[in-house]
Amino acid sequence: EIVLTQSPATLSLSPGERATLSCRASQSVSTSLAWYQQKPGQAPRLLIYDASNRATGIPARFSGRGSGTDFTLTISSLEPEDFAVYYCQQRSDWPLTFGGGTKVEIK
Amino acid sequence: QVQLVQSGAEVKRPGSSVKVSCKASGGTFSRYAISWVRQAPGQGLEWMGGIIPIFGTANYAQKFQGRVTITADESTSTAYMELSSLRFEDTAVYYCARSRRYYYDSSGYYYGGYDAFDIWGQGTMVTVSS
Repeated sequence: EIVLTQSPATLSLSPGERATLSCRASQSVSTSLAWYQQKPGQAPRLLIYDASNRATGIPARFSGRGSGTDFTLTISSLEPEDFAVYYCQQRSDWPLTFGGGTKVEIK
Repeated sequence: QVQLVQSGAEVKRPGSSVKVSCKASGGTFSRYAISWVRQAPGQGLEWMGGIIPIFGTANYAQKFQGRVTITADESTSTAYMELSSLRFEDTAVYYCARSRRYYYDSSGYYYGGYDAFDIWGQGTMVTVSS
């Protein structure tokens, strides 16, 4: 099973600051990696697919990069609605797996 | 616009089974993989398994093998997840989610495939309690 390790577990930032979230895979997933945002009481929302492609309707301040085992989600300038939990997920091999999540909280 | 609408909350006894439904409306159902993902209270996301309705064969995470059954009814555009031998630790919100796209091989033949999950159901709370 491919293990995805997200860091940091919690990121404390202020609105307007840049957020950089990391996801590391235990083995190569090529670019078969997605990022999701989840707010309390809501289903996850797809932000990025195939490592670097923004999903429909996702603002340009969200960007993803990486391949192989190391991936990054960047939020260029945090808006109040961006404070949430973020998960990475791989579809390279069975079973599909998620990272443990990074909580982006208001400082 | 495609929507996935799940059945309502359930309270179950340990050792019993639960069956959650996920009905798709507003678009194509059969060719897209549907996955089931659960989230225990305060915890992360966990993929349980999935199915491509047009093929009818499900894939399961090893952890749930033997306890989970995922099926789909093309005539009603509904997917189902049944979890048996329920334990207290199965208390969670269960989501269905649809893959963003399906795939063709190099010869142009459709083969399904799993992609990122772009459409999610609203979630179904399953509580296991004695």
